[in-house]
Amino acid sequence: GDSVTQMEGPVTLSEEAFLTINCTYTATGYPSLFWYVQYPGEGLQLLLKATKADDKGSNKGFEATYRKETTSFHLEKGSVQVSDSAVYFCALSEAAGNKLTFGGGTRVLVKP
Amino acid sequence: DTAVSQTPKYLVTQMGNDKSIKCEQNLGHDTMYWYKQDSKKFLKIMFSYNNKELIINETVPNRFSPKSPDKAHLNLHINSLELGDSAVYFCASSWSVSTDTQYFGPGTRLTVL
Repeated sequence: GDSVTQMEGPVTLSEEAFLTINCTYTATGYPSLFWYVQYPGEGLQLLLKATKADDKGSNKGFEATYRKETTSFHLEKGSVQVSDSAVYFCALSEAAGNKLTFGGGTRVLVKP
Repeated sequence: DTAVSQTPKYLVTQMGNDKSIKCEQNLGHDTMYWYKQDSKKFLKIMFSYNNKELIINETVPNRFSPKSPDKAHLNLHINSLELGDSAVYFCASSWSVSTDTQYFGPGTRLTVL
């Protein structure tokens, strides 16, 4: 079945540091890929998505590129802020039923 | 103007009780979902409905019964609550069952004592 693996946290960074969260997936077909973010005490918000190979999703300074050859969708941000402290989830969805399969989440803590 | 709303936000109850969580979306979406997030933040789908019809039913105990009175609502009823049911339950919706973006509600934290 489908699965998503992302790096375990917590990831602790200083403000303005570069952030990378690795995400790899296993899927039988051609999934859409997503990054969701969960701020403390809140629900999940879509951060960005990509629907086909080589697509780049971007939002709020975050970027991720759909790499079919390496089955990866790594999240990057060039200069993090304290407000980026959250749990980040990589996820995939295949057409059959649009079931989201999530990775385990990566907690990011940005210190001033 | 809340997109996906859930009630209640917090639910504390005793083992063996029956409880319901309600979800409503005002986005006009056809498809709704329930996800469970455990204490380690792991998220897993439980159910999905499309136009009031059950589409996905993962390996969830039959103590959990979703009900969709109309396509804007998907409620989750849980019978005979157990300690292991303690989790955060998220409702979500999307335009269709194809690979559309899902929009999540704020979650309901269920604590079973």
